[in-house]
Amino acid sequence: DTAVSQTPKYLVTQMGNDKSIKCEQNLGHDTMYWYKQDSKKFLKIMFSYNNKELIINETVPNRFSPKSPDKAHLNLHINSLELGDSAVYFCASSESGRGNEQFFGPGTRLTVL
Amino acid sequence: AQSVSQHNHHVILSEAASLELGCNYSYGGTVNLFWYVQYPGQHLQLLLKYFSGDPLVKGIKGFEAEFIKSKFSFNLRKPSVQWSDTAEYFCAVNAKSSGDKLTFGTGTRLAVRP
Repeated sequence: DTAVSQTPKYLVTQMGNDKSIKCEQNLGHDTMYWYKQDSKKFLKIMFSYNNKELIINETVPNRFSPKSPDKAHLNLHINSLELGDSAVYFCASSESGRGNEQFFGPGTRLTVL
Repeated sequence: AQSVSQHNHHVILSEAASLELGCNYSYGGTVNLFWYVQYPGQHLQLLLKYFSGDPLVKGIKGFEAEFIKSKFSFNLRKPSVQWSDTAEYFCAVNAKSSGDKLTFGTGTRLAVRP
């Protein structure tokens, strides 16, 4: 199926650990994003990559490091996890020049204990 | 900077009632506008979008939205809601000058009573 997929779906970890979330899209899009959705459902963009190049980097702690090995993948690595990092993280993709209609992945619920 | 306001944070309706969710944005230039829906425990799905042309846009599942440029609004409507419409609804705007950045509103939680 064509889609945006993320792994894992759930991630429970201790404070101070380092973890990664993976995202892949097979829609042939050239732009990928990471969003954070907090407990109040507020969605905020974190990063955007276009053809493996960083385009948007919002005010996110540098403990968060995105990596795009190719334009179909955008992974998110988080160092030294904190309680406030607990949220649902959504990956999305779009094709530039098509009005920025974004397609979202299923989300990764991160719980930091 | 672009911003999006959704004034209704929580809406409760009975089945068959009509729905209108407000969305206002602040940006003076050309925009693309979207409504996304997030069903409980699921990811965001596109309901409808406006790029240009007819300001009345029809989407999936009987939803529609009207772009009123003079009011900077893009309200979502449905004449008769169903229990299955219970979800979180997000308005989003992309200002063409901001490239690929999509700014979301804070969302409106809709609960439909059977």
